[in-house]
Amino acid sequence: DAKTTQPNSMESNEEEPVHLPCNHSTISGTDYIHWYRQLPSQGPEYVIHGLTSNVNNRMASLAIAEDRKSSTLILHRATLRDAAVYYCILRTSGGGADGLTFGKGTHLIIQP
Amino acid sequence: GEEVAQTPKHLVRGEGQKAKLYCAPIKGHSYVFWYQQVLKNEFKFLISFQNENVFDETGMPKERFSAKCLPNSPCSLEIQATKLEDSAVYFCASSQGQWPYNEQFFGPGTRLTVL
Repeated sequence: DAKTTQPNSMESNEEEPVHLPCNHSTISGTDYIHWYRQLPSQGPEYVIHGLTSNVNNRMASLAIAEDRKSSTLILHRATLRDAAVYYCILRTSGGGADGLTFGKGTHLIIQP
Repeated sequence: GEEVAQTPKHLVRGEGQKAKLYCAPIKGHSYVFWYQQVLKNEFKFLISFQNENVFDETGMPKERFSAKCLPNSPCSLEIQATKLEDSAVYFCASSQGQWPYNEQFFGPGTRLTVL
């Protein structure tokens, strides 16, 4: 499985944008980039996914480098509720029933 | 239901005892997954089902762990003769399975403590 590398932790201030990086230099052409997050004492929840183009949804934006070797999850205006561990996960096309391979993720701390 | 339900929330077992965890996937979801989170950030995929059929069990410690998803019943994960290292939070997830709209929806987890 292609691996991802994320910083262990990041800190940001409330109501400011947050950019969470992920390196995946061994990504293959059929791998999608997925992001999940785990709020304290909860199960993980899906955030966003993309293949080549940048993606936006109500939770976040995903910026994917042209060579696809890295990506950045963008929270446009962080709130205290966004404090969580964020996981960048690669999923092979068609692998709808494959288990997710979680790395260690980035622990995002939001300061009021 | 609209959420993945897991019971019990907490389970305490003495070493060597049996533990059984339950999961009700979201209605209409064909795929069920079990994960083990031992330390705060370390997840391990255990097993997945497509309806009542095992799809991928590469992560299952086969000697003591077993799982089932039977029609019209919650899915279950059973650990025979629990060991101290089985102490973890066990998460169940479900998905529609249709690529690429196959995000996994997770339940709140069952915290198993083996004493």
